[in-house]
Amino acid sequence: DAMVIQNPRYQVTQFGKPVTLSCSQTLNHNVMYWYQQKSSQAPKLLFHYYDKDFNNEADTPDNFQSRRPNTSFCFLDIRSPGLGDAAMYLCATREGLTDTQYFGPGTRLTVL
Amino acid sequence: AQKVTQAQTEISVVEKEDVTLDCVYETRDTTYYLFWYKQPPSGELVFLIRRNSFDEQNEISGRYSWNFQKSTSSFNFTITASQVVDSAVYFCALLNNAGNMLTFGGGTRLMVKP
Repeated sequence: DAMVIQNPRYQVTQFGKPVTLSCSQTLNHNVMYWYQQKSSQAPKLLFHYYDKDFNNEADTPDNFQSRRPNTSFCFLDIRSPGLGDAAMYLCATREGLTDTQYFGPGTRLTVL
Repeated sequence: AQKVTQAQTEISVVEKEDVTLDCVYETRDTTYYLFWYKQPPSGELVFLIRRNSFDEQNEISGRYSWNFQKSTSSFNFTITASQVVDSAVYFCALLNNAGNMLTFGGGTRLMVKP
């Protein structure tokens, strides 16, 4: 089935140790998003790509970077994770006709 | 700026009860889109419905129904005969006309007890 895939589902890293989360899609959607969701909160948009055009939200910390090498893959790099970066990270794609966003299962990041 | 409010942070019902989740929104756009997503304990946000601002017809899908009232800026979601598997956090969301800003409400945690 066409879908949004995130690996790994659970990631543990140490304070200050760089970590990369990955997302892939088989939907062939040209827009991809990264959201951060902390416990009992709504998802917060970090950035998105429209094709290869990168769009950073104004309040996304510099510690967060993203790469999109091709249509199917998108990566979230956290250069120096802090304890406050522990969260669920959700990847989504957007379907062009209806603008509906489809989400992956998320990666739950723990920072020790 | 646009805003989505889900006043009910947590609702608890017993199986087979009907339950309505409220959603109120604010926007200056005349064209916009409303969504509901379900987030079960596994974490994935599951798309349930999309509604554009020009379509005020209510919609029913199985045990789910949605009531869109533009006059009160509300887009409420009703689950009929709730089941334990309906237990999840439900998010209402608003997409602006440009299609580049999806604003989520704070979510409502629904607990359905057997």
